[in-house]
Amino acid sequence: AQSVTQLGSHVSVSEGALVLLRCNYSSSVPPYLFWYVQYPNQGLQLLLKYTSAATLVKGINGFEAEFKKSETSFHLTKPSAHMSDAAEYFCAVRSGGYNKLIFGAGTRLAVHP
Amino acid sequence: EADIYQTPRYLVIGTGKKITLECSQTMGHDKMYWYQQDPGMELHLIHYSYGVNSTEKGDLSSESTVSRIRTEHFPLTLESARPSHTSQYLCASSDQSGADTEAFFGQGTRLTVV
Repeated sequence: AQSVTQLGSHVSVSEGALVLLRCNYSSSVPPYLFWYVQYPNQGLQLLLKYTSAATLVKGINGFEAEFKKSETSFHLTKPSAHMSDAAEYFCAVRSGGYNKLIFGAGTRLAVHP
Repeated sequence: EADIYQTPRYLVIGTGKKITLECSQTMGHDKMYWYQQDPGMELHLIHYSYGVNSTEKGDLSSESTVSRIRTEHFPLTLESARPSHTSQYLCASSDQSGADTEAFFGQGTRLTVV
């Protein structure tokens, strides 16, 4: 079975500071990994995805994530936080042949001036 | 831009009422999903469909039912709403091209049963 663990349910950073949101996965086969963002009262929007083409993946809004097989990690980073980055972030892994997405519990990012 | 729509966005309804949450997509995707999300919590898959006339239960048990009579439409029904059904319901879809294909989400329906 595949699973995702997001370390830290809440992360708070200052505007302009580095953003680091952690995601570790468990998978018996090469995984497909995704980061989604959810703004208040909205659905989920894809930030980026790992599909084995490159270990460093660049996404929208200046976010990127690095796939590290040895650490079973897919952490999300952004060099400089902006107030508009405040949202809930979900890491997800593809499961089985049904293309089901298995989500982590989410990390709420707060950005303060 | 994703073209998947959910209605209503917000619904407050009394206990015992029958409700249907609508989900439609215009992308021609074969696969559709319903997720349940409690505030501040992870998403749990409650139903999915591979295509017309295909429906399956997800990982989280739910008293709701779904149907897939048309490719673009995947409604969710609760025959008798209860306060325990209060939650946010998110609909999503994806195409058949591969396991690396992302799912596109609607904006969600926030259901409150009083």
